[in-house]
Amino acid sequence: GAVVSQHPSWVICKSGTSVKIECRSLDFQATTMFWYRQFPKQSLMLMATSNEGSKATYEQGVEKDKFLINHASLTLSTLTVTSAHPEDSSFYICSARRTSGLGGVYEQYFGPGTRLTVT
Amino acid sequence: QKEVEQDPGPLSVPEGAIVSLNCTYSNSAFQYFMWYRQYSRKGPELLMYTYSSGNKEDGRFTAQVDKSSKYISLFIRDSQPSDSATYLCAISSGGYNKLIFGAGTRLAVHP
Repeated sequence: GAVVSQHPSWVICKSGTSVKIECRSLDFQATTMFWYRQFPKQSLMLMATSNEGSKATYEQGVEKDKFLINHASLTLSTLTVTSAHPEDSSFYICSARRTSGLGGVYEQYFGPGTRLTVT
Repeated sequence: QKEVEQDPGPLSVPEGAIVSLNCTYSNSAFQYFMWYRQYSRKGPELLMYTYSSGNKEDGRFTAQVDKSSKYISLFIRDSQPSDSATYLCAISSGGYNKLIFGAGTRLAVHP
């Protein structure tokens, strides 16, 4: 159990266009999902926290108008990179939080990531 | 000072060796400690999860938390080439709170 999928796994787009990335929890419901960005040989940088049915909470320095997040259901969150530029090229990873059996504590499960290349 | 410090390595060991991976953290409020394994170009995979202090064992993996020293460890026994990956520690101050990741340690296990 606890499988998270992402689509697409790899996308190339032209500068100025928008790209949508989907994140799905396949076998559990996730009221909270997270979006991360990872540059080569670096750790994960949290971009935003997405709560089902409400607005996302963005980390400091992340442009909410550029990275649009929608969490319309308990199993789906989407990240849209608007007016993409080459510096947006990165590895984008989502995670979904699931309640564990350990006293209601939450665990995070990650998707396989989406590699975005903006030309 | 970073909230979580982790030596990025790389760490290279022969097959069968015992591997020790470590992180230190600065805030005593952190209660939840995780270890993730990430293969190249893949998402992180949750390996171990501990709450508060103590040890937890799962097969060849053992996670230790020493809250008095603010130090967490992951031990891998009988390491295999398939263990070659980046290992990230992650901590949180509460079950509802966001995870804070270490930089990740790159491990290479050679035959």
